[in-house]
Amino acid sequence: QKEVEQNSGPLSVPEGAIASLNCTYSDRVSQSFFWYRQYSGKSPELIMSIYSNGDKEDGRFTAQLNKASQYVSLLIRDSQPSDSATYLCAVNDDNYGQNFVFGPGTRLSVLP
Amino acid sequence: KAGVTQTPRYLIKTRGQQVTLSCSPISGHRSVSWYQQTPGQGLQFLFEYFSETQRNKGNFPGRFSGRQFSNSRSEMNVSTLELGDSALYLCASSLSGPTSGNTIYFGEGSWLTVV
Repeated sequence: QKEVEQNSGPLSVPEGAIASLNCTYSDRVSQSFFWYRQYSGKSPELIMSIYSNGDKEDGRFTAQLNKASQYVSLLIRDSQPSDSATYLCAVNDDNYGQNFVFGPGTRLSVLP
Repeated sequence: KAGVTQTPRYLIKTRGQQVTLSCSPISGHRSVSWYQQTPGQGLQFLFEYFSETQRNKGNFPGRFSGRQFSNSRSEMNVSTLELGDSALYLCASSLSGPTSGNTIYFGEGSWLTVV
């Protein structure tokens, strides 16, 4: 049974700080990794995807992947109150099919 | 470009009834997958359809079924509803091609309450 683990939080950071969200996964054959943001009562929206070891940056967001350690993280720089949401880590092990396994999500609260 | 469209958005059903939910994927997307989200279990994969064929299936009982039409629109059905089926049902679509990657995009979801 594939598993994706995240700290449920809540993770509280002050406005302007760096928020660090972590995720570990159990299946070594996992190919693709994703971070989704979900506001309360809304559906998940894609923030980042990452496929190769290393860092990938997009604006204030940086995803980091370490396949040897089976670890993926998301850094949010200059955190804003509007970043307060639940962040879901997702792993897919099929290049063409969709069989995403989601973590339980980390609730982030950015304090003004 | 229109996003993933799900109908109905909200519905209330009685235990024992059945329900059908509909999903229209992003134009050009051929893969449609369904997920169930509950506070206790989180986001769980139900099944995925590609070119009218079920390609992947999660660990849900046979009461949960789906299908995909030639225009890539999809429906899922839940028969003999139980109280525990109350959840947000999310549809997601993707291009799902060998060079296009497999990123999935979610619709707004259908909130199902079983009473």
